[in-house]
Amino acid sequence: DVKVTQSSRYLVKRTGEKVFLECVQDMDHENMFWYRQDPGLGLRLIYFSYDVKMKEKGDIPEGYSVSREKKERFSLILESASTNQTSMYLCASSLPPPGNTEAFFGQGTRLTVV
Amino acid sequence: AQSVTQPDIHITVSEGASLELRCNYSYGATPYLFWYVQSPGQGLQLLLKYFSGDTLVQGIKGFEAEFKRSQSSFNLRKPSVHWSDAAEYFCAVVGMEYGNKLVFGAGTILRVKS
Repeated sequence: DVKVTQSSRYLVKRTGEKVFLECVQDMDHENMFWYRQDPGLGLRLIYFSYDVKMKEKGDIPEGYSVSREKKERFSLILESASTNQTSMYLCASSLPPPGNTEAFFGQGTRLTVV
Repeated sequence: AQSVTQPDIHITVSEGASLELRCNYSYGATPYLFWYVQSPGQGLQLLLKYFSGDTLVQGIKGFEAEFKRSQSSFNLRKPSVHWSDAAEYFCAVVGMEYGNKLVFGAGTILRVKS
């Protein structure tokens, strides 16, 4: 059974803290993604990685960074958490085109910044 | 810029009625197209996908979608809606023009009247 695992389901952090969200996949996928999901806005792409140590900015990268040191692990870092980063964060992985590019998602991390 | 548009934020249908959810994308070549569903408090589930071939694709739970290149659309349909179909539905696109990123629409919330 394919699996994308996010390290926490719920997190509460204080403003200004550095926050790490971890994601691990066991499918040997090249692509990994971080999204945030907010009501009415859908899933907005924060960062995308297509290989180890390779990354691209998504639509809303400001205030975030990422790390991919190993193929199976993709970390999202909030350098200095702010209240407007309170959201649901979703990680996903997939193979690149051509072929089956279906993405598999983790269960999400609901982050509250107080 | 590339985009995925779901023009209907909310749709309400009666149980047993037919359903069509719209999705349009701005794109050059043939995209990889997906529909995902998210029930309240749940993760994302893939309903169906289109990579190539027959432009009418069948998915799970009785859903189907049709790719129309001339209209840049990938609308989701179901002939008879069940109360359990109430959820949020997301259209998503992958392709070279997006840098192989998986880009989502803002979602359509489906309500089912009994």
